[in-house]
Amino acid sequence: QSALTQPASVSGSPGQSITISCTGTSIGFGAYNLVSWYQQFPGKAPQLLIYEVNKRPSGVSYRFSGSKSGNTASLTISGLQAADEATYFCCSYVGSSVDLGPFILFGGGTELTVL
Amino acid sequence: QVQLVQSGAEVKKPGSSVRVSCKASGFDTFIDDPISWLRQAPGQGLEWMGAIVPMFGTAEKTQKFQDRVTITADTSTTTAYMELSGLTSEDTALYFCARTLSHRANSGAATWIQYSAFTVWGQGTLVTISS
Repeated sequence: QSALTQPASVSGSPGQSITISCTGTSIGFGAYNLVSWYQQFPGKAPQLLIYEVNKRPSGVSYRFSGSKSGNTASLTISGLQAADEATYFCCSYVGSSVDLGPFILFGGGTELTVL
Repeated sequence: QVQLVQSGAEVKKPGSSVRVSCKASGFDTFIDDPISWLRQAPGQGLEWMGAIVPMFGTAEKTQKFQDRVTITADTSTTTAYMELSGLTSEDTALYFCARTLSHRANSGAATWIQYSAFTVWGQGTLVTISS
């Protein structure tokens, strides 16, 4: 199973909106709506932003939203703020095998720079 | 307040083993929800290693770690453990435990877990392999 593909970096100005894409090649990525997104600051644990494509946990700002079309999931951050400067990871469950166990894939991460 | 607190940093020799603990507090569903173990090598992305549902006591692991990882849980102390054996320099990484949102799926007599998201994370445990 190949990792999910994210752009290495994106940037935007305060107040703008940016979108980070996450593309999967496995059949499971398109079949399951179990995509999640995480925000990570240097030296810290990741924090869940979006789960099951477009659901926001309690406490996460409405400025973060998720979507998915076919084999590409997207994270959109609106009203960009300096505090959003971090690395963002996508993740997806893509299936299970009796012999090989579950398959959970991560993207390589996207560094967001707020200009 | 729901939190996971992990054991401290470790320095290990190649070929040895390391055991990391993950103490849960503020959970009313520790025995029901999977606890996953993930790792992140320096400057790299995240990698899921495996998970355990404490109530069942059996762990699932990704193929890469089938033979080297042992995941256990003690429901009396609400603590999960991950032991990694046969350490090499490539195992130098930050190791995380995480409470996991999941769904049960079934087809006929077969039942399996679909792992949805990692909702609460431990602070991470740095494991360094050095001779």
